[in-house]
Amino acid sequence: EVQLVESGGGLVQPGGSLRLSCTASGFTFSNYAMSWVRQAPGKGLEWVSGVSFGVGSTYYADSVKGRFTISRDNSNDMLYLQMNSLSAEDTAIYYCAKDFRVGAITFAFDVWGQGTVVTVSS
Amino acid sequence: SYVLTQPPSVSVAPGMTARITCGGDNLRSKNVHWYQQKPGQAPVLLIYYDSDRPSGIPERLSGSNSGNTATLTISRVEAGDDADYYCQVWDSGSDQPVFGGGTKLTVL
Repeated sequence: EVQLVESGGGLVQPGGSLRLSCTASGFTFSNYAMSWVRQAPGKGLEWVSGVSFGVGSTYYADSVKGRFTISRDNSNDMLYLQMNSLSAEDTAIYYCAKDFRVGAITFAFDVWGQGTVVTVSS
Repeated sequence: SYVLTQPPSVSVAPGMTARITCGGDNLRSKNVHWYQQKPGQAPVLLIYYDSDRPSGIPERLSGSNSGNTATLTISRVEAGDDADYYCQVWDSGSDQPVFGGGTKLTVL
């Protein structure tokens, strides 16, 4: 079964940092681009960051550029999101999502994790 | 940055056809994807590349894209279709994926 499981969320103070992890299973992780998508409470979906398959070119939303860093460990089928300088506007459920097409980056996501909650508050 | 506009809500009676629109400048030149999200759950990909369905998505769901508007059509609506629906494209101008604001489909 293809599965994504996020972890690492929690409560953090404004200005703090957090590292999210996503454990992939059931597919050849290194062959697929991956992304993080977030959803603030009661709001819509917002793409945050993506990384291509293989070596991994990275992409960022303007709202997180310079503060967040996406990375992947193809040896261990893991995706990460390092989040620095967090503010209340970053409070959201963070989903890990798999690109639907092998060996390409389309930013269409056919598998999603259940999400991990990040709350930025003092 | 590129903007996708969806109606906040659409209502439809069971058995009827629901059409959810997604508007954007010259949208026809882009590939549109559609997702369904039910409360407390992760999104599910319904349609990719305007009109293709992933395996497991029923044929009564279809998509189209013409001019400045893409449309998700749900035929023979069921109670289980009550959910939020999002359209999404890749914006080459900003090198970023963009989601529409979402449409709440209410099955009456």
